[in-house]
Amino acid sequence: AQKITQTQPGMFVQEKEAVTLDCTYDTSDQSYGLFWYKQPSSGEMIFLIYQGSYDEQNATEGRYSLNFQKARKSANLVISASQLGDSAMYFCAMREPYGGSQGNLIFGKGTKLSVKP
Amino acid sequence: DAGITQSPRHKVTETGTPVTLRCHQTENHRYMYWYRQDPGHGLRLIHYSYGVKDTDKGEVSDGYSVSRSKTEDFLLTLESATSSQTSVYFCAISEKQGPSTDTQYFGPGTRLTVL
Repeated sequence: AQKITQTQPGMFVQEKEAVTLDCTYDTSDQSYGLFWYKQPSSGEMIFLIYQGSYDEQNATEGRYSLNFQKARKSANLVISASQLGDSAMYFCAMREPYGGSQGNLIFGKGTKLSVKP
Repeated sequence: DAGITQSPRHKVTETGTPVTLRCHQTENHRYMYWYRQDPGHGLRLIHYSYGVKDTDKGEVSDGYSVSRSKTEDFLLTLESATSSQTSVYFCAISEKQGPSTDTQYFGPGTRLTVL
């Protein structure tokens, strides 16, 4: 069964520094997608970034980048120049392959990031 | 922001009562999902829909039913609420025309407490 592992329950980072949030996944499929979502204390789930398994380049969206290492089955989120507003829970998710499950998402348990001033 | 609303946003109910949560979208997306979020579990899929009147079960579907009579509305029903169904419920939508366009966008969530 597909699985997502986020090994860091909580992390601290100094404002303006970069931080890496770890995510490893387990799948035997060749076609899959990886997502990161942010959940601030207000509770909403905000889509950050997407990486397809066939994408040759790492995805980037502003200060967010995804360090995709396919052979190691890792999809770490890198946030550059951390800001106080980056303090939140971050969830890694994998899209199941299309077919009977219709490409549903499997989520990790999340990492709580705290940015210190 | 994707046009997704959930109602109610907060609800307190008693064990054994029926509860219906509503998700409404204005994006005309084909796919809709219901998740629950509990501490230590991330988000887990309850049910999903791939079109009007087309639904299927997710990972944690026991005790829940869904209906989708219109593209824009997806209802989640707890036939007889139990304390174990106390949770935050999220609705999500996706367009699903292909791998690059199937990002799921989430509603604001509903906090349900079953006493």
